Amino acid sequence: DGGITQSPKYLFRKEGQNVTLSCEQNLNHDAMYWYRQDPGQGLRLIYYSQIVNDFQKGDIAEGYSVSREKKESFPLTVTSAQKNPTAFYLCASRMGQIAGNTIYFGEGSWLTVV
Amino acid sequence: EDKVVQSPLSLVVHEGDTVTLNCSYEVTNFRSLLWYKQEKKAPTFLFMLTSSGIEKKSGRLSSILDKKELFSILNITATQTGDSAIYLCAVERGSGGYQKVTFGTGTKLQVIP
Repeated sequence: DGGITQSPKYLFRKEGQNVTLSCEQNLNHDAMYWYRQDPGQGLRLIYYSQIVNDFQKGDIAEGYSVSREKKESFPLTVTSAQKNPTAFYLCASRMGQIAGNTIYFGEGSWLTVV
Repeated sequence: EDKVVQSPLSLVVHEGDTVTLNCSYEVTNFRSLLWYKQEKKAPTFLFMLTSSGIEKKSGRLSSILDKKELFSILNITATQTGDSAIYLCAVERGSGGYQKVTFGTGTKLQVIP
């Protein structure tokens, strides 16, 4: 089945550690996105990528890093520089270069700092 | 910086009531406005709006866009407890280059029996 797979679903991190959240899509979508959601809040854009080997900072990129070495993969690294990383992280993708096409989401990853 | 503002932030209604959720935006090179429903994890798509004044309907839900006044509304008639969720509005912008999609803070709707 086509879709977006995020892993792990739940992750605990000690303070000072980097962690990487995986996002894989088999929809042949060009654009991929990472959002952060805090309890009871909307989605805030961390990074997005339109094509392989290129990506742009979103509104809250500090303390995060990404790579886009393959079209189907867009991993997010939460670094130790991110002071308040506990949140729900959503990966999304969509076809590029087509006006107004919808965005699809993965099931999300819960990150908790302990 | 792109801005998407939703109101109210939260809402409690009784089953059968009609609700209107608001979304205003400021974005350059507007392409589309999207509405999503989020119940537990991944948001699910409701509507995509690109043209002013054309209502989109799906069952008891409907939405319309006003590109002159830069806002959209989502209406839900005869609400049911299953409508309880966070409703997210997003705007897409981009012209040839990067298609940034910015979400609002969401409206949390609770429908009580």
